[in-house]
Amino acid sequence: DTGVSQNPRHKITKRGQNVTFRCDPISEHNRLYWYRQTLGQGPEFLTYFQNEAQLEKSRLLSDRFSAERPKGSFSTLEIQRTEQGDSAMYLCASSFLDRNTEAFFGQGTRLTVV
Amino acid sequence: QKEVEQDPGPLSVPEGAIVSLNCTYSNSAFQYFMWYRQYSRKGPELLMYTYSSGNKEDGRFTAQVDKSSKYISLFIRDSQPSDSATYLCAMRSSNTGKLIFGQGTTLQVKP
Repeated sequence: DTGVSQNPRHKITKRGQNVTFRCDPISEHNRLYWYRQTLGQGPEFLTYFQNEAQLEKSRLLSDRFSAERPKGSFSTLEIQRTEQGDSAMYLCASSFLDRNTEAFFGQGTRLTVV
Repeated sequence: QKEVEQDPGPLSVPEGAIVSLNCTYSNSAFQYFMWYRQYSRKGPELLMYTYSSGNKEDGRFTAQVDKSSKYISLFIRDSQPSDSATYLCAMRSSNTGKLIFGQGTTLQVKP
């Protein structure tokens, strides 16, 4: 499978716990994006990387959220002290920088905070 | 006001119908326009991609962009029950990879 891979697919956590999600982009894609999607809404941009550099962050990304992309390959998204409002689908996407193509998405990680 | 507006539907059509899905936007800097299809509990799947104004056709799907009106459309010909999904429009400007999505339109094609 050469698509974008996200793990875990589902995560249930108690309020106040920390969670970490992983995204493995399509090989050789140098841009990687994180989005959040709640029921009945379109995906909302959180942040994106070009190689290992984090180029843009949304105001949605509070200080409880942190994303990394060490060595420009896979990426992790961590949420600290989770709140019920963090319950959502977290989507990762990747694309080439230098080609006129668009982003391809993974299947997402569904987070439920109880 | 949201940057991208999309009627959430739901839209229900009989099999074989022509479907028209639309989005309006307010940011004149948007240059790249996409349509994604999303099945329940799955990630969005890229359907069509258009740069600037004009039409693009791919099989039963046609994407249109009218930048003067800030209006984009996706047409589906000979719709099939397997087309039942949520359709998301998305767009971005040339200086960023960040996509701005519409709310999504839920489509049901009845056999």
